[in-house]
Amino acid sequence: AQTVTQSQPEMSVQEAETVTLSCTYDTSESDYYLFWYKQPPSRQMILVIRQEAYKQQNATENRFSVNFQKAAKSFSLKISDSQLGDAAMYFCAYRSATSKLTFGTGTRLQVTL
Amino acid sequence: KAGVTQTPRYLIKTRGQQVTLSCSPISGHRSVSWYQQTPGQGLQFLFEYFSETQRNKGNFPGRFSGRQFSNSRSEMNVSTLELGDSALYLCASSLALVGGTDTQYFGPGTRLTVL
Repeated sequence: AQTVTQSQPEMSVQEAETVTLSCTYDTSESDYYLFWYKQPPSRQMILVIRQEAYKQQNATENRFSVNFQKAAKSFSLKISDSQLGDAAMYFCAYRSATSKLTFGTGTRLQVTL
Repeated sequence: KAGVTQTPRYLIKTRGQQVTLSCSPISGHRSVSWYQQTPGQGLQFLFEYFSETQRNKGNFPGRFSGRQFSNSRSEMNVSTLELGDSALYLCASSLALVGGTDTQYFGPGTRLTVL
């Protein structure tokens, strides 16, 4: 079974600074998708960014980018120019054609002034 | 385009009762998945429906069941509620592209409290 590991329960970043959230996963499949979701205090799960495993180019969405290392099974999220609104729980998730969406345990990000 | 909607948003029940939660997917989305989120267990997959058929199921007891209607709306039912069923129940919809790896979009959740 696929597993997703987020080893940082909490992270803190100052406003306007950059922070990187880590995620590793375990799979024997070659074709899959990886996601980062954000869950603010409202509890609404919001898609941040998505990466297809067959693409070598790292995905980017405005201030959010990923560092996808397929061989190392690593998928980190970089948030640039952090804003107060970025404070939330961040979940890394994995999905393939044969598996359900599997989440990590989450990283709580605090943004300080 | 409207997002995923879930009703009710909050629910309080007592042990032994049953509950039905509803989810309306984004227009055009054909797949609906349900997740349970608790502080102790995190996010756990319950089941996924596509074209009114259960396509995937998580490791939950038979007290948890679901269904999908022809308009893609979905309901999940929990019978004989236990205290441990208190959780945030999240519904997610997707286009259900070939291969099943399309992106899931989540609703705001239903907060269930069992007393």
